[in-house]
Order: sequence, then structure tokens, then C-alpha cells
Amino acid sequence: EAGVAQSPRYKIIEKRQSVAFWCNPISGHATLYWYQQILGQGPKLLIQFQNNGVVDDSQLPKDRFSAERLKGVDSTLKIQPAKLEDSAVYLCASSQTSGGPSSYNEQFFGPGTRLTVL
Amino acid sequence: AQKVTQAQTEISVVEKEDVTLDCVYETRDTTYYLFWYKQPPSGELVFLIRRNSFDEQNEISGRYSWNFQKSTSSFNFTITASQVVDSAVYFCALSDTSNSGYALNFGKGTSLLVTP
Repeated sequence: EAGVAQSPRYKIIEKRQSVAFWCNPISGHATLYWYQQILGQGPKLLIQFQNNGVVDDSQLPKDRFSAERLKGVDSTLKIQPAKLEDSAVYLCASSQTSGGPSSYNEQFFGPGTRLTVL
Repeated sequence: AQKVTQAQTEISVVEKEDVTLDCVYETRDTTYYLFWYKQPPSGELVFLIRRNSFDEQNEISGRYSWNFQKSTSSFNFTITASQVVDSAVYFCALSDTSNSGYALNFGKGTSLLVTP
């Protein structure tokens, strides 16, 4: 079974430029997550999709970040314009469904995209 | 307030030593899930274990063991007879209703270095 795919693996941009990351979840997984991992910290949830609907985007800086999952499969995360503090690894994860009080679906993580903003 | 605290930022041990990584969590929920992930230098997060709040049984998997104590809100991870390949950053994570979709709240991680 193929894992979560992400591209690009590395990206270097100047501040105020825009950038987009792509994620292809495991086939059949309805739930997709984007996490931001700043150096020396744990991953932090940015947005969670269930199929093509947003479940939680409370920690997404909506003035500059946007994400979409149009057909309930692949997802794109965009930053426009980028700031120095956006330098981080952006991790995509997927699970069969969202978790809940009676069950939990394991999240599988992709290799991440390392963004450097100069 | 931080929901998951990993007080140990870095730990260095010599191969074959035992090492325990501490994790303290905070939640108001009665149903929640706890996890440990390993992040080797390659960067990918590797799932190690999941525990739900109703299962306080300790678990052993090879050289790895986990001690879950609700009374102290702790979920500690012990590596017995550590090996160089265990060198990585280890994250403890909590899933509860603070995220509407039960996403993971990670601690800051503990960097483990095992030297020969």
C-alpha cells in the first residue's frame, strides 16, 4: 500500500513570495490533515478535512494560508505572502475517518515539505 | 495551556543503557487517546503506540515499554538496552475533543542520542 505522498520535498523562497504544497493521501482515506512543524517543536495542526469539507481550521493563519481539497482526495496548501516565521516542515497526514469518542483511526504521515523563507 | 509536556528536551545515553522519556498530559475529557511517535533524522513521523484512556495496562513491545498512569496524567516511554538506531526525536501526543476532529496535539519532543 502506497503511503502519503508530498511534494516538493524542499522549497526555498524569498519572503513575500507565494508557495504551494501538494499532498496525496493514502487511497480511500477520507480524512486529511496539514501540520506545521517549526524547528525544535512538535507538529501543530493547521487544518483538517473530512472528504472535501473542513473539520477544523482554527489554527490556520487565514490572512496568508489557504488550503483546499476539491475532490476529496488530493490537497493543496498555499502560503501567500510568505514570512520568515513560516520556515518549517509542513506535514500531511491521512486517516480512514476522523476519530471520535468510541474509536480512533490512526494517522499516517507523509515525509513532509521543508520550507525555508529567506 | 500546553496540553502535552515533555520536560526532557535532550537526553544522551550510551548504548545498552535503559532510558525513560517522560510525558505529562492535560485534558478535561474522560475519553482521549495518547500516542508516541518517533522522528528519525529522515524526518518522517513513525507511529509507535496508541493508548485509549480506558486502558491503563502497561505495554511491552520488544525493547519498548509504556507506562500509562491516569492518576498522574503521565504516559512514559522506556527503551531498554538502547541502540544507536534509537537516536531520534520522540513525540508524545494527545487526541481529545479540543480539536473537533480529534487531531493530534503534540508535545515539543525529546531528542534522544544514543552513542556507541
